[in-house]
Amino acid sequence: GEDVEQSLFLSVREGDSSVINCTYTDSSSTYLYWYKQEPGAGLQLLTYIFSNMDMKQDQRLTVLLNKKDKHLSLRIADTQTGDSAIYFCAEISGTGGFKTIFGAGTRLFVKA
Amino acid sequence: DTEVTQTPKHLVMGMTNKKSLKCEQHMGHRAMYWYKQKAKKPPELMFVYSYEKLSINESVPSRFSPECPNSSLLNLHLHALQPEDSALYLCASSQDWGAGGNTIYFGEGSWLTVV
Repeated sequence: GEDVEQSLFLSVREGDSSVINCTYTDSSSTYLYWYKQEPGAGLQLLTYIFSNMDMKQDQRLTVLLNKKDKHLSLRIADTQTGDSAIYFCAEISGTGGFKTIFGAGTRLFVKA
Repeated sequence: DTEVTQTPKHLVMGMTNKKSLKCEQHMGHRAMYWYKQKAKKPPELMFVYSYEKLSINESVPSRFSPECPNSSLLNLHLHALQPEDSALYLCASSQDWGAGGNTIYFGEGSWLTVV
């Protein structure tokens, strides 16, 4: 079935760039998303990219999409301690009844 | 304003209790969702309502009973729960359901502990 995979953990120093990677299997995905979840909170939509785009930039966030390899990445520039959270990659699966399929989440730890 | 509000934020209930979780959105969205999230796991879809009708039930046990009184409100009625049902319950909404571009917006969640 449809699957979204992410590495589980990333540690960076404050001020460095963070890159969180994600791979997905459904080639019919139309939208791909990044959500952020801070401890004790719900999921906050960070950004999304339409499948006919290669890149989207929004302030410190850059999303890159390689549709051929089904690879999505989120780059956070000048990472701050407030960026420490779990980041979920997600896709709307056309073959999955248009359900949103989530990855397992990448826990980002930012060291001061 | 992309806001989904959930109440209560925390709930402790016994296994014989009956309680409800409530969710409200005023974005004019026509699809609403309940998700369950265990610690260190992604959210798991439970129910989808589209235009106030139940569209998806992901084989959720009947001790969880959803209700959509109108397009802005979604409830989750809880009865005879088990300790393993303790989790974060997330409500969400999207403009529509059943097409490719329906971005889901989440509430802050209700933390449920079953004792």
